[in-house]
Amino acid sequence: AQRVTQPEKLLSVFKGAPVELKCNYSYSGSPELFWYVQYSRQRLQLLLRHISRESIKGFTADLNKGETSFHLKKPFAQEEDSAMYYCALRGGSNFGNEKLTFGTGTRLTIIP
Amino acid sequence: DTGVSQNPRHKITKRGQNVTFRCDPISEHNRLYWYRQTLGQGPEFLTYFQNEAQLEKSRLLSDRFSAERPKGSFSTLEIQRTEQGDSAMYLCASSHPGHYYEQYFGPGTRLTVT
Repeated sequence: AQRVTQPEKLLSVFKGAPVELKCNYSYSGSPELFWYVQYSRQRLQLLLRHISRESIKGFTADLNKGETSFHLKKPFAQEEDSAMYYCALRGGSNFGNEKLTFGTGTRLTIIP
Repeated sequence: DTGVSQNPRHKITKRGQNVTFRCDPISEHNRLYWYRQTLGQGPEFLTYFQNEAQLEKSRLLSDRFSAERPKGSFSTLEIQRTEQGDSAMYLCASSHPGHYYEQYFGPGTRLTVT
């Protein structure tokens, strides 16, 4: 079974401070991990995926297989980062394993 | 093409009634997914299609739920004999061949069962 845990439902950070949103997963194989974001009154959208190793909007996330974690980080928070963030897992690229398993989400609020 | 669209956006129904939701994916996206999201939870997978074939269904999809994608374009999700526990946001997503890892979500249909 695959599971994604986001321990923090709410996180408030001052503008300019570092941000870290935690994500831990459980999966027996080699998963693909993602961060999705939902800004106010907008749709859920992909922020980044671990395979690309990109920095999107200043955010990065490193897959740590030893700790089964995929924490999202940004060195300096901006007000426009306020949103709901979901960590998601896809069970590799095997056919029939296409579903995304989401965590419960973390609502990030940036304090001006 | 303005993205994945879902209709209706809101639906209020009485317990025991049947409801049907529609999802129109982004054109050229051959995979289409349905998720359900309840308050305080992340989206939960229900089912997905590749073209018109339904390839996976979650245990969450009870006998009262049925999804179709008859021509490989739009999809419908029907709930028969609705129950109060069916109240949720129903999300549709689609993905492009070769980029299956990125799912594009619609705005959702919020169902309230009274």
